[in-house]
Amino acid sequence: KQEVTQIPAALSVPEGENLVLNCSFTDSAIYNLQWFRQDPGKGLTSLLLIQSSQREQTSGRLNASLDKSSGRSTLYIAASQPGDSATYLCAVSSGGSYIPTFGRGTSLIVHP
Amino acid sequence: GAGVSQSPSNKVTEKGKDVELRCDPISGHTALYWYRQSLGQGLEFLIYFQGNSAPDKSGLPSDRFSAERTGGSVSTLTIQRTQQEDSAVYLCASSSPTGGRWYNEQFFGPGTRLTVL
Repeated sequence: KQEVTQIPAALSVPEGENLVLNCSFTDSAIYNLQWFRQDPGKGLTSLLLIQSSQREQTSGRLNASLDKSSGRSTLYIAASQPGDSATYLCAVSSGGSYIPTFGRGTSLIVHP
Repeated sequence: GAGVSQSPSNKVTEKGKDVELRCDPISGHTALYWYRQSLGQGLEFLIYFQGNSAPDKSGLPSDRFSAERTGGSVSTLTIQRTQQEDSAVYLCASSSPTGGRWYNEQFFGPGTRLTVL
């Protein structure tokens, strides 16, 4: 059974810092890994999808990397802004299923 | 539509009443998921629909929960005899896995916040 862990659970940083959020998974036979952000009281917004054959994906100030052999993905946020404050979740699809396994998320606060 | 929509956005009900939550997926998406997110908890999978296949109901917490998807589009999640522990945000997502599991990107709706008094 796939297990997904996100560390740290919470993070508070000053504006302008470069950040790394971590996502680890126990079963490396994955199909893809998806990063989301969730604002308070809202649904999830898809940020990046990395297929199992890919090593990284980039969108604007966001870069997500994938290392299947070590069971890890990182989400790098460059030059953080207060608008980046949200909960970031990763979800892993694996095990012959279309149903992903979600981590508990990292709650990020970027203060001015 | 442009995205996944859900209604109502908020629902307050009394213990013991039945509720229906609605999800409109992105047009053309064949896969539809229901999740539950309780305060301070992670996402809990409830049910998955894919095309005309039998739904995967493995996440439904009790027989008070049921869901249907009519015409391969709109889905309704029904909770009978609601309990206070059913209070949560219910999220719906859709995807188009026609390219296989490697390309199966999920898109979420805004959720329905259910409060059972």
